[in-house]
This record gives sequence, C-alpha cells and structure tokens, in this order.
Amino acid sequence: GENVEQHPSTLSVQEGDSAVIKCTYSDSASNYFPWYKQELGKRPQLIIDIRSNVGEKKDQRIAVTLNKTAKHFSLHITETQPEDSAVYFCSASIRQGGKLIFGQGTELSVKP
Amino acid sequence: NAGVTQTPKFQVLKTGQSMTLQCAQDMNHEYMSWYRQDPGMGLRLIHYSVGAGITDQGEVPNGYNVSRSTTEDFPLRLLSAAPSQTSVYFCASSPSAGGEQYFGPGTRLTVT
Repeated sequence: GENVEQHPSTLSVQEGDSAVIKCTYSDSASNYFPWYKQELGKRPQLIIDIRSNVGEKKDQRIAVTLNKTAKHFSLHITETQPEDSAVYFCSASIRQGGKLIFGQGTELSVKP
Repeated sequence: NAGVTQTPKFQVLKTGQSMTLQCAQDMNHEYMSWYRQDPGMGLRLIHYSVGAGITDQGEVPNGYNVSRSTTEDFPLRLLSAAPSQTSVYFCASSPSAGGEQYFGPGTRLTVT
C-alpha cells in the first residue's frame, strides 16, 4: 500500500552546520509533499511544501528537493540554530481527496 | 478564528469503555482527518473526510468510527477501548486536497 519512509530517525548537528533529512514514497501518483515541524508537546506545523511540478523550493534557511523519477524528496536546513531542534515529518499526498501519509519522523538536535 | 479545536485535552479510559473525541474547525475547510501519534511511528492516518457526509479509512481504522454530518465537526468514536489505543490523537483540517493541513492541539488518551 501507500508508504512514506523517512531517514534518519535521529540527527544531531552542531550549531551552524547543515542538516539533511531524506524521504521516499511508494505511490507514483503522489503530487504534494509537505514537511512539518513538531516541537515538544505541541502540534505539527507546516514549514515548507513542494508540488510534483517543481524540483526544488527554498525559503530562507530551508529548502526541499524532489526527484520524481526516484520517488525521493529531501529537506535541507542550513546554518542550523538551537531553535531548529524538533521532530520533523515528511509527508506525501496520495492521489486525490486530502489523504496525507506521514513518514516516521526525524528528531533533530542542534547543539550550541 | 479558533482554528481547529479538540476536546478533551486528556482522557483516561478503562479497557472496554467507549468514548468520542471531538474535533471542530471554523475555517470552512472541506477536508478533515484524524491521526494518532505513537513514539517512533510518526503520525498515522485513522480516518479522513473530503466533505460533509463522506468519510474513508486511513492506515489504521480498526477500532474507530467517524461521521461527518456538518462541515465543522468530525468526531472520532472509540467503540471498545483497548490499551493499544493509548496514544496522542490529532485532528487536522485542510481547505483542499493537497493543501496545508492545520492541526488541532491534540488529545492524550490513556487506556488502562
């Protein structure tokens, strides 16, 4: 069935370094790929998204890339800061109808 | 706008009891979803709805029922609670298929 795999499950970086989180999806009909950030005890919030007609999108220190052929998409955070520490989820919208499937999450820790 | 609201915030049930988790949104969103979040397993889709009167199953629907009689409300019913249903439950709404999902604050459910 539909599946989204996310790696790594934990990631620790030094402040100022870059962080990369990778996801793969199984359904080639997926056309919308949002990323959510969840701070401890809070609800997930959208940080960036990309659609299947775009290969890359950037918003300040955050960028997302999409390789439709390989069914891969990645989140890149540059110049990491301690406030970037959180759990990050990738997700993919499978076909139509608002059904959004999430990856397992990556716990990012940025050490000052 | 209150956004997406969920009640209760916390709930403890005994095995076999039933209850309804409430979710409401005041943004006139057509799409609503229920997710459960367990450590290391990300957000798993339970049920979703593309509009009033229409619901469909997600990844983990067993043991849960939903209905969507109005655009605003999307309650989740646990028919006979089991310890395996101990989790944090998030409701989310979206204005369209493949659009940003807005999450509620969550309900932490413990089944003993």
